[in-house]
Amino acid sequence: DVKVTQSSRYLVKRTGEKVFLECVQDMDHENMFWYRQDPGLGLRLIYFSYDVKMKEKGDIPEGYSVSREKKERFSLILESASTNQTSMYLCAAEGLRKTQYFGPGTRLLVL
Amino acid sequence: AQSVTQLDSHVSVSEGTPVLLRCNYSSSYSPSLFWYVQHPNKGLQLLLKYTSAATLVKGINGFEAEFKKSETSFHLTKPSAHMSDAAEYFCVVSLANAGGTSYGKLTFGQGTILTVHP
Repeated sequence: DVKVTQSSRYLVKRTGEKVFLECVQDMDHENMFWYRQDPGLGLRLIYFSYDVKMKEKGDIPEGYSVSREKKERFSLILESASTNQTSMYLCAAEGLRKTQYFGPGTRLLVL
Repeated sequence: AQSVTQLDSHVSVSEGTPVLLRCNYSSSYSPSLFWYVQHPNKGLQLLLKYTSAATLVKGINGFEAEFKKSETSFHLTKPSAHMSDAAEYFCVVSLANAGGTSYGKLTFGQGTILTVHP
């Protein structure tokens, strides 16, 4: 199985701050994903990356960008955090047979 | 297009009794199907997956699910609930087997919260 770690479990930021969420996977897999999870809305795909420096927008990319400089690391960037970006953020890496393995999540609060 | 419907938003059982969490799907292609579990303030953990091999799939912690194509269902069961099973469960369908996709785009059900009473 793929092991996925995220840099922070809980994060509190102020409106307008630049926020970096880091995700690392241990199995040299190409595909990595960022989701946000909100009550009543389920999980929604923000961005995914299919190789180093390669990315595609998901369903809700507005207000976010991503960076993938190394295969094992996929970063989600909030250029100017807003209160409506308060959420649980989940990173995933895709292993064999297109199975996605998730990290523990980062709960972000924007004040 | 694909979609997933979890038929119960909440299920409550007593410890030691069977668990049934229901899931129906629709997919234009032969689907891959997954069940994930999420404990409070934690990430999603893969319980089991169906990828067109055996229709009865065994997962971790005593859970299993049966793929029934005629009923388009993938219900999750466990013979005897444990207190530690209390969590939210997600049924997920993937377009992994469809032509032209470079990754398995996941469609999540809305989740079923399982409560286990002593």
